[in-house]
Amino acid sequence: GAGVSQSPSNKVTEKGKDVELRCDPISGHTALYWYRQSLGQGLEFLIYFQGNSAPDKSGLPSDRFSAERTGGSVSTLTIQRTQQEDSAVYLCASSLTGSTEAFFGQGTRLTVV
Amino acid sequence: AQSVTQLGSHVSVSEGALVLLRCNYSSSVPPYLFWYVQYPNQGLQLLLKYTTGATLVKGINGFEAEFKKSETSFHLTKPSAHMSDAAEYFCAVTGYGQNFVFGPGTRLSVLP
Repeated sequence: GAGVSQSPSNKVTEKGKDVELRCDPISGHTALYWYRQSLGQGLEFLIYFQGNSAPDKSGLPSDRFSAERTGGSVSTLTIQRTQQEDSAVYLCASSLTGSTEAFFGQGTRLTVV
Repeated sequence: AQSVTQLGSHVSVSEGALVLLRCNYSSSVPPYLFWYVQYPNQGLQLLLKYTTGATLVKGINGFEAEFKKSETSFHLTKPSAHMSDAAEYFCAVTGYGQNFVFGPGTRLSVLP
């Protein structure tokens, strides 16, 4: 596709349920990033994939959060046993390499009730 | 390790006045620097970038920024603010083999 695609655009889930958020990066981009943006806040780094290297998971807030990137393309961010504090917009971005501009998707707005 | 600071979480200017949004960074490798803009309820859009070469870079909507290595700064300016410039602005740094690190953002308000 022409840009970074994220799905779903909105997700409402009950506390304690697991959710999966999907990111389709721009074709050919080797770097993929996940960020979280709470209401009125900045971007909180979650995880970074670069090619075949081990991902940088240093931003994941707890072991309830995990992410994978299959075939160097699509990525899934999984949140287990969701909590109300997980409510936020989850943004995915990709870049051609790790040193060029990142292109952002429109985000997934997660609401935990 | 890399980090970004943005002085002023909220900046207000009058329409037609100079816009100056400050960004300072730290980086263990030669930095690549970016400014992104986020309009209300929208995604992040690249305004401009510095990778190598000319230290004064021009972006969209009349914005420009100057990379000053000695000051580890990459401040964003626009000579004359427009109402449509009201948004959240994020400075970011990356480098070869590094993560993309964003500053906390500065909310720009433009007063009539």
